[in-house]
Amino acid sequence: QVQLQESGPGLVKPSETLSLTCTVSGGSISSYYWSWIRQPPGKGLEWIGYIYYSGSTNYNPSLKSRVTISVDTSKNQFSLKLSSVTAADTAVYYCARQQSYYYDSRTEYYFDYWGQGTLVTVSS
Amino acid sequence: DIQMTQSPSSLSASVGDRVTITCRASQSISSYLNWYQQKPGKAPKLLIYAASSLQSGVPSSFSGSGSGTDFTLTISSLQPEDFATYYCQHSYNIPYTFGQGTKLEIK
Repeated sequence: QVQLQESGPGLVKPSETLSLTCTVSGGSISSYYWSWIRQPPGKGLEWIGYIYYSGSTNYNPSLKSRVTISVDTSKNQFSLKLSSVTAADTAVYYCARQQSYYYDSRTEYYFDYWGQGTLVTVSS
Repeated sequence: DIQMTQSPSSLSASVGDRVTITCRASQSISSYLNWYQQKPGKAPKLLIYAASSLQSGVPSSFSGSGSGTDFTLTISSLQPEDFATYYCQHSYNIPYTFGQGTKLEIK
């Protein structure tokens, strides 16, 4: 059974960089896409970006200038860095696996395994 | 970005009721639509992918339908554990976006 676990500071100061790591256990990080998704308290879900195990990435344009996602296959981990944070970045951050399926000549994805989430608060 | 709009935003129902939640996309997304269930303090759980395919282990009381811009999630007979918030999400292009959520409460 694949399990994902987020780790990192729960409190970040405004203008600093938020850094989180997701550790994958029970399966290999290889051959999958891996995403970060966040949820401000009491609000909906926002996709941040994904990384393929090979290192290729794709980010939400609304966050692209501040986001970096990286992968360390030797540790079965991938990481998120979000720079210049403000109070608006306060949220529960989830990591998730993207499972692929083939439909209508395309490869599409859904999020089948999620971490439990970690609350990151931006405050001085 | 493709906007996903769910209706209703909240819904009160009783155990045993049949419930339908609607998700509308701002443009056609074929069948690239997934549904998730989220309980308080927990991560979302995948229910349906590709608009109508039931994820392994999900009760058959859940079903999905639709294509293009209009989609529905139906729960045929509500159980106590089904009271939660439900989200739709498209994977048609980047950025993936979610609906605002439908909170299903006990009447």
